[in-house]
Amino acid sequence: DAMVIQNPRYQVTQFGKPVTLSCSQTLNHNVMYWYQQKSSQAPKLLFHYYDKDFNNEADTPDNFQSRRPNTSFCFLDIRSPGLGDAAMYLCATSRDLGQAETQYFGPGTRLLVL
Amino acid sequence: RKEVEQDPGPFNVPEGATVAFNCTYSNSASQSFFWYRQDCRKEPKLLMSVYSSGNEDGRFTAQLNRASQYISLLIRDSKLSDSATYLCVVTRNTGKLIFGQGTTLQVKP
Repeated sequence: DAMVIQNPRYQVTQFGKPVTLSCSQTLNHNVMYWYQQKSSQAPKLLFHYYDKDFNNEADTPDNFQSRRPNTSFCFLDIRSPGLGDAAMYLCATSRDLGQAETQYFGPGTRLLVL
Repeated sequence: RKEVEQDPGPFNVPEGATVAFNCTYSNSASQSFFWYRQDCRKEPKLLMSVYSSGNEDGRFTAQLNRASQYISLLIRDSKLSDSATYLCVVTRNTGKLIFGQGTTLQVKP
């Protein structure tokens, strides 16, 4: 009964080799988020989609892009991964935007850059 | 200065102990407040919301002091299964979650 699914759970890539992480949801939520969490640090929001509207955080590097082809799927593209991009990438969804909305997290994809 | 500050710990306590975590936030416009639990290498999961009136869920009690911009979580009768990282989270009116670094709890037999 998984509601937010992330694939793969573990991803190994080479320095500079583009990589795509996938997230899907069965909740039919309007909003999908991507967070980056490095070891012993807080999750950091990279960007979110409200429906088809993309909202980038001001400090998210250009190296990170996202696509949302439909309500259910959202992708995180890292164009040229560096060693510093090794982290857990968390996808989350919420029904709507707003401070009362609960965010539901997927299990995360742990990215290793060699 | 981080917008949400927590003592990272670790807090090492014996089973049955009572332990309290604190969190401060700097943005007075913060709207909602939560505690999330994150197990090692897993995703954060919502533990409980935090209200000014204080709220309790079994062995867990959360409290918010808006004047001091301070949030607390009290765990009574600690269990081994409570071992995890506890993330203090505040939201802005846009719904954006701002996470603290987390406080690690280790409950020992």
